[in-house]
Amino acid sequence: DTGVSQDPRHKITKRGQNVTFRCDPISEHNRLYWYRQTLGQGPEFLTYFQNEAQLEKSRLLSDRFSAERPKGSFSTLEIQRTEQGDSAMYLCASSADRRVDTQYFGPGTRLTVL
Amino acid sequence: AQSVTQLDSHVSVSEGTPVLLRCNYSSSYSPSLFWYVQHPNKGLQLLLKYTSAATLVKGINGFEAEFKKSETSFHLTKPSAHMSDAAEYFCAYNNAGNMLTFGGGTRLMVKP
Repeated sequence: DTGVSQDPRHKITKRGQNVTFRCDPISEHNRLYWYRQTLGQGPEFLTYFQNEAQLEKSRLLSDRFSAERPKGSFSTLEIQRTEQGDSAMYLCASSADRRVDTQYFGPGTRLTVL
Repeated sequence: AQSVTQLDSHVSVSEGTPVLLRCNYSSSYSPSLFWYVQHPNKGLQLLLKYTSAATLVKGINGFEAEFKKSETSFHLTKPSAHMSDAAEYFCAYNNAGNMLTFGGGTRLMVKP
């Protein structure tokens, strides 16, 4: 299977703890995106990488959130000092390096903050 | 402001009857438009996309959508619903930026 993969699929943590999620994009895709989806809502854009460069960040991405994509391959999303409001599904997507191309989504990581 | 509105949060149909899921967009540009489907606890799967070619777009699983610029709409249809179509459907657009803007979603329920 050469789709987008995410790890872990589920994460339960206590408020105040740090968590880190990983995304592996489709291998030939240069662009990688993170979205957050809360219950009953559509996904909301968080941030975007082209290769290893983080080119765009949403105002939703507070200073407790940090994303990296070392070497332009996999990406990590870290949330520090988690809050109950961070509970959501975190979706990763990747696309080819064309002007407007289809974004292919991974299965998501569901975060529950107790 | 640019936005996507899905006009129905829930749609219920009987198996074998047509499906219509409505989506309107607001954009200053000619956007690229997408429909995705999400089954419970799963990621999003692309159904179809419009990128300024033919206005009637055919997708997977018998779904299609028609882009109507005059109505700023991109409604999703299927002639005959199947039980396996029950899921959440999201309309999204990309106005040549680097992110997708999603509607709030429509939950499709299919009755036997």
